[in-house]
Amino acid sequence: DAGVTQSPTHLIKTRGQQVTLRCSPKSGHDTVSWYQQALGQGPQFIFQYYEEEERQRGNFPDRFSGHQFPNYSSELNVNALLLGDSALYLCASSPAGAILYEQYFGPGTRLTVT
Amino acid sequence: LAKTTQPISMDSYEGQEVNITCSHNNIATNDYITWYQQFPSQGPRFIIQGYKTKVTNEVASLFIPADRKSSTLSLPRVSLSDTAVYYCLVVRAGGMRFGAGTRLTVKP
Repeated sequence: DAGVTQSPTHLIKTRGQQVTLRCSPKSGHDTVSWYQQALGQGPQFIFQYYEEEERQRGNFPDRFSGHQFPNYSSELNVNALLLGDSALYLCASSPAGAILYEQYFGPGTRLTVT
Repeated sequence: LAKTTQPISMDSYEGQEVNITCSHNNIATNDYITWYQQFPSQGPRFIIQGYKTKVTNEVASLFIPADRKSSTLSLPRVSLSDTAVYYCLVVRAGGMRFGAGTRLTVKP
């Protein structure tokens, strides 16, 4: 059973460019959340998708947008990249209605903005 | 969501029991307490979750006093492979906020 997968593993972009990160949830999971983790800090919640809709959103600007597809996979898009967007971007999935607030995290995409 | 406060770092030796305490003074009635573990260059991994009293699984125990304003993660007989960052979170439906975590270093 494949866990959460993310692509690409690493990415280098230039300031002002746009980037798309991809995530496939764990089998049987229909809820996907995205997090940004700067070096030495804990993950910060960006948003969560369920039934192809953004259900919750953290304190991130509109430059951060997302999408969830009918097969539950998800994309994170970041426009007008800033140097401060350099971080590890984590995707996590969970089954809707789960009793435990247990999220399964992928290995992340390391984004470097130069 | 309630803010959590935990030690920035802790050191231990192999075979010892490690207790990491987290304070969450403003926890709400509907909130649960959850702990995650994160190794370098990996995503966090769920360890344990509880609401009150004591919860135990094959990895750890979680102690929560009656007022629920704090919680203690207990790792029995740690090994070198337990060296990681441990996050205490207060969670509810649709919400999860990570703090800076506790960096545990296990020494031989």
